This record gives sequence, C-alpha cells and structure tokens, in this order.
Amino acid sequence: DTGVSQDPRHKITKRGQNVTFRCDPISEHNRLYWYRQTLGQGPEFLTYFQNEAQLEKSRLLSDRFSAERPKGSFSTLEIQRTEQGDSAMYLCASSGDHHTGSNQPQHFGDGTRLSIL
Amino acid sequence: QKEVEQDPGPLSVPEGAIVSLNCTYSNSAFQYFMWYRQYSRKGPELLMYTYSSGNKEDGRFTAQVDKSSKYISLFIRDSQPSDSATYLCAINQGAQKLVFGQGTRLTINP
Repeated sequence: DTGVSQDPRHKITKRGQNVTFRCDPISEHNRLYWYRQTLGQGPEFLTYFQNEAQLEKSRLLSDRFSAERPKGSFSTLEIQRTEQGDSAMYLCASSGDHHTGSNQPQHFGDGTRLSIL
Repeated sequence: QKEVEQDPGPLSVPEGAIVSLNCTYSNSAFQYFMWYRQYSRKGPELLMYTYSSGNKEDGRFTAQVDKSSKYISLFIRDSQPSDSATYLCAINQGAQKLVFGQGTRLTINP
C-alpha cells in the first residue's frame, strides 16, 4: 500500500525563479489537496481537486501560484517569481471516494520543503 | 479569532505519564474531527478520526469530542519516547479543506 508521494523532498532556489512540485496521491483516491505549512504553525489550505476539477482555492493562492491535475491522477503546484515569503513546507494530501457523500480522512505525503535564497 | 485554537506548548512529560492535548473551535458547523501526529521533517500522520461527540479509543490513544462545548481532546496513555512529536488537531465540515490548530510540540522524557 503506497502512500502519498511528493517530489522533490527539498528545493532550494533563488528569489525570482519558478519552481514546480509534484504530488502522486494514493491510487484510488479521487480528491487531492495542497496545503502550506510554515515553522511552528499548522498546515494551511491552498486548493483541492476532485478528479481533474479544481473545486476551491484559498485566498493564500496568489496569481503566482497555479495547480493542475490534468488526468485526475498526479498533481503539480507551480510557483512563479518566488519570493522570500514562499519559503515553507508544501504538503499534499488525498482522500477517498466521496460519491456517497460521506467524509473520508485525508492522508498526507512528507511534503516538499522550499527554501528561497 | 482563529477557527481552531490549540496551545502550542511545548509540553514535556516523563515516560509513562498520561498526556492530554486539547483544541477548541468556533464553528458549530464542523462535523469531523481528527488528530494527526507529525515528526520533524515529515508529513502529518493520521492518528484518530471521529465525527460524533463522545470517546473513541485506539490502543493507547483516546479521542474525545464535546460538540456542545466545541472542545476536542486527545489522551495518550503510557506515553513512550517515540510519542515525542507535534500533535495537530484538524477539523472540517465534510469532504472539504481541513482547518488545523497550531500544533502542540510534545516531548516524552525517558
């Protein structure tokens, strides 16, 4: 049973550069979530997908951020023109079938740690 | 006011002690309550998941929900050094984004 996989685990880049992270959810999960976590804080919601549809975006997701899930499987999160304040852990989570209307718990990957120089 | 409040600690207890971790929340529409454990440089790991008031037990862990008081707790019995981690409460309204507390950093001293 493979869990949520994120790549890379750590990304160091200079301010102003673009970065892209990848998330592979648990295979049978149709919902995929992105969160951001800064030191000493709980994760904060960024956006989520049901299959390939992006259903909600947080106001934290400025126009420099874009997320995709083109085939309803893996997802990418891109940050353009990175800023110092983007330094954080970016976490991906997935959850199972919601067609019945029931809530399913979210399972997290180990995140991508972004450091902006 | 944050939607979910959690004392960040740090909390340090001797091995074998009973640990009590707590969160309060403000939105009565919240229906689902979770506790996650997070080790350093790792993602949150789901420990407990419940949707009703009352207690839920799993091994040394007990989750307690009091919807009337908007208060949730996690109890750890016979605490072990391997329980040293940050514990995050998380709440949602169902099939939606999780709202997390700040996390409580716990250390169990041998």
